[in-house]
Amino acid sequence: AQSVTQLDSHVSVSEGTPVLLRCNYSSSYSPSLFWYVQHPNKGLQLLLKYTSAATLVKGINGFEAEFKKSETSFHLTKPSAHMSDAAEYFCVVSDRGGNTPLVFGKGTRLSVIA
Amino acid sequence: DAGVTQSPTHLIKTRGQQVTLRCSPKSGHDTVSWYQQALGQGPQFIFQYYEEEERQRGNFPDRFSGHQFPNYSSELNVNALLLGDSALYLCASSPLTGNAGRRAFFGQGTRLTVV
Repeated sequence: AQSVTQLDSHVSVSEGTPVLLRCNYSSSYSPSLFWYVQHPNKGLQLLLKYTSAATLVKGINGFEAEFKKSETSFHLTKPSAHMSDAAEYFCVVSDRGGNTPLVFGKGTRLSVIA
Repeated sequence: DAGVTQSPTHLIKTRGQQVTLRCSPKSGHDTVSWYQQALGQGPQFIFQYYEEEERQRGNFPDRFSGHQFPNYSSELNVNALLLGDSALYLCASSPLTGNAGRRAFFGQGTRLTVV
């Protein structure tokens, strides 16, 4: 069975400082891993995904994540936070093969302080 | 190219009633999945439709049912509504074929409130 643990329910950073949102996963198979962002009253938007290529994945809006198999982690980072980054972030896992369902973490709310 | 569209955007129902939510997938996508997102939680998988059949199902009771039409659009039906069914219901579409880690596109969701 697959599962995702987002280690922080809420992260608060100052504008211009680095962002780190932590995620650990559990999967019986070679996983696909994703980060999605959800702004208030909006749908889910894909930030980035890891399938099997480079372990350092670059996404939209300056976000990136590194797949570390030995640590079963897929942490999301950004060098410099912007006010518009304030949102809910979800780490997601699915089996790499087939059209398997997405398994979401509980989410991390990112606040950005001016 | 329209993305995933869901209707209605908001809905208020009374306990015991039945509700139908609708989803039109992104052009070129033939697989539709439904998720329930309770307040303060991550989305949870309800079921997935492909070729007008339910292919996979999450841990939801039979009160939750669905349908997929020949044009790939889909409906989610919930019978005998409970207060706990209040949530944001998200529809996601994806192509069945293609490389691994295919991207699922999500709609804006339908906010269901049961009173």
